[in-house]
Amino acid sequence: QVQLQESGPGLVKPSETLSLTCTVSGGSISSYQWSWIRQPPGRGLEWIGYIYYSGSTTYNPSLKSRVTISVDTSKKQFSLKLSSVTAADSAVYYCATYNWNIYAMDVWGQGTTVTVSS
Amino acid sequence: DIQMTQSPSSLSASVGDRVTITCRASRSISTYLNWYQQTPGKAPKLLIYAVSSLQSGVPSRFSGSGSGTDFTLTISSLQPEDFATYYCQQSYSTPLFSFGPGTKVDI
Repeated sequence: QVQLQESGPGLVKPSETLSLTCTVSGGSISSYQWSWIRQPPGRGLEWIGYIYYSGSTTYNPSLKSRVTISVDTSKKQFSLKLSSVTAADSAVYYCATYNWNIYAMDVWGQGTTVTVSS
Repeated sequence: DIQMTQSPSSLSASVGDRVTITCRASRSISTYLNWYQQTPGKAPKLLIYAVSSLQSGVPSRFSGSGSGTDFTLTISSLQPEDFATYYCQQSYSTPLFSFGPGTKVDI
């Protein structure tokens, strides 16, 4: 069973770049597409984007200009970078598998809280 | 972009109640509709995919139906562990896998 674990700084300064990593265990990184989703405090879920193990990416158009998702297959990790952050980017960030066999995100990490503040 | 709406935004119910949550897409998404359950402080959990297919381990009191633009999640007999927020999500239209705003089910 695939398990996911997010890691990265919990505090980022405004205008800087948020960087998070998701480590995959218990499965093959070539078996899924790898997604990032976020949830601002007290609000709903926002899909950020996903990456295929080959490196092909798809991003939410509203974030596309600031988002980069990358994958390191040797480390079984994929990463999220979000540039020029503001307080509006404060959220719990989740990584998840996008299982194309069922067209759904079926395994989620526990989430990591990122606060944007000076 | 496809917009997802849910109703109600919240509801109060009791253990044993039958609960129905509605999700609507701004245009047809065929059967590319998923439901997730989120309890406070936890990550979302996939309940149902492709409108009506139960994810492994999900109790049979959960069911889904619909097609096109209108979808329903039903909990046949609400249990204490079902008090949570439920989100629908469409996976028909890339590049945006949009979620509904959520329905909070509480006592």
